[in-house]
Amino acid sequence: DAGVTQSPTHLIKTRGQQVTLRCSPISGHKSVSWYQQVLGQGPQFIFQYYEKEERGRGNFPDRFSARQFPNYSSELNVNALLLGDSALYLCASSFKDRGNEQFFGPGTRLTVL
Amino acid sequence: SQQGEEDPQALSIQEGENATMNCSYKTSINNLQWYRQNSGRGLVHLILIRSNEREKHSGRLRVTLDTSKKSSSLLITASRAADTASYFCAFPSGGSYIPTFGRGTSLIVHP
Repeated sequence: DAGVTQSPTHLIKTRGQQVTLRCSPISGHKSVSWYQQVLGQGPQFIFQYYEKEERGRGNFPDRFSARQFPNYSSELNVNALLLGDSALYLCASSFKDRGNEQFFGPGTRLTVL
Repeated sequence: SQQGEEDPQALSIQEGENATMNCSYKTSINNLQWYRQNSGRGLVHLILIRSNEREKHSGRLRVTLDTSKKSSSLLITASRAADTASYFCAFPSGGSYIPTFGRGTSLIVHP
């Protein structure tokens, strides 16, 4: 079985632009979480979706939004990009919404110039 | 929500030696997980230990959990160059079930 996949692998944007990142969970997994990892730090939780409903939101501004589709894939959108949004964005899937290990994708490296 | 604190921040050892890294937290937890991350890529789940467990093994990995001291340790025995990575502890905190990650320990194993 394929693992968690994310696209694109790398992305370069300029300040003020908008970006959409995509994630496909492991087959059978219904929960998708998004994390932002700045260089030298641990991943910071952004969103969790389970069965297409938002189950959790981290301390991120409203410029960040996400959704989950009927096939459980997910998109993370970031509007009005700032230099500080440059980071590795990680998607993780799990079978349930809690208490399970998460399986991470390889991440999308976003650079904002 | 609280963030775990891994100690040390960086660890450099020779192949064959053991590596021990620690994670401390402040509030009660239901479980604690350890992850490995190679060179800025995705994280790989290593072990999940529940609050009613004291020790868990997986291959060359040994994880302990001391809920009275609110700490956990990850021991990698007979380390290999391929163990070079960052290691993170993660646990649900603040009443949430979303795992919160610490800053990680950067391990370098010299061949």
